[in-house]
Amino acid sequence: QKEVEQDPGPLSVPEGAIVSLNCTYSNSAFQYFMWYRQYSRKGPELLMYTYSSGNKEDGRFTAQVDKSSKYISLFIRDSQPSDSATYLCAAAKTSYDKVIFGPGTSLSVIP
Amino acid sequence: EAQVTQNPRYLITVTGKKLTVTCSQNMNHEYMSWYRQDPGLGLRQIYYSMNVEVTDKGDVPEGYKVSRKEKRNFPLILESPSPNQTSLYFCASSFGRRTNTGELFFGEGSRLTVL
Repeated sequence: QKEVEQDPGPLSVPEGAIVSLNCTYSNSAFQYFMWYRQYSRKGPELLMYTYSSGNKEDGRFTAQVDKSSKYISLFIRDSQPSDSATYLCAAAKTSYDKVIFGPGTSLSVIP
Repeated sequence: EAQVTQNPRYLITVTGKKLTVTCSQNMNHEYMSWYRQDPGLGLRQIYYSMNVEVTDKGDVPEGYKVSRKEKRNFPLILESPSPNQTSLYFCASSFGRRTNTGELFFGEGSRLTVL
């Protein structure tokens, strides 16, 4: 079993839709949870990080962690064509520990 | 501009011909790492370095070597490339133990094809 799993998609939504991206993880020692965004032909870049359980909001993006069910979510409100990318969820035991990545979900936002 | 620079970006080579992919960062980061990205498998760590002269194996180190003689550089060496090393490679760096977020800064990737 992979430590971090996510549906690879692809996911295609119309512009303005609310997008929900989800991951599950298996290691209960994970405390840091991250979402990286990767545009085509580019390296991943950190979009959001969350420590332990709870929600974190940044503009149109909300990251949610439920440690009881080992579930990580990223919500994108009012999705834009510029949000089209692959989204990688990731987890780590500490802020400086090895980061374990999920395989990524490919998202296309259609104008 | 803060960045991680990898070279070459694209490379086609043949089995057994030694090659080096360079990686350099200008952010004075302690931690550097190499990943390979394959469809369905995501990012897998090859080697990492916590600081100068300190390197360690990641999840898929077979067939690769690294060195960290200077803080800014972390080259990836394929002594005898094989077709199963055809992949997209990323170098990443971070502040290591001094970080608050664990944010990794990635290069733009090096696409390697081994024939």
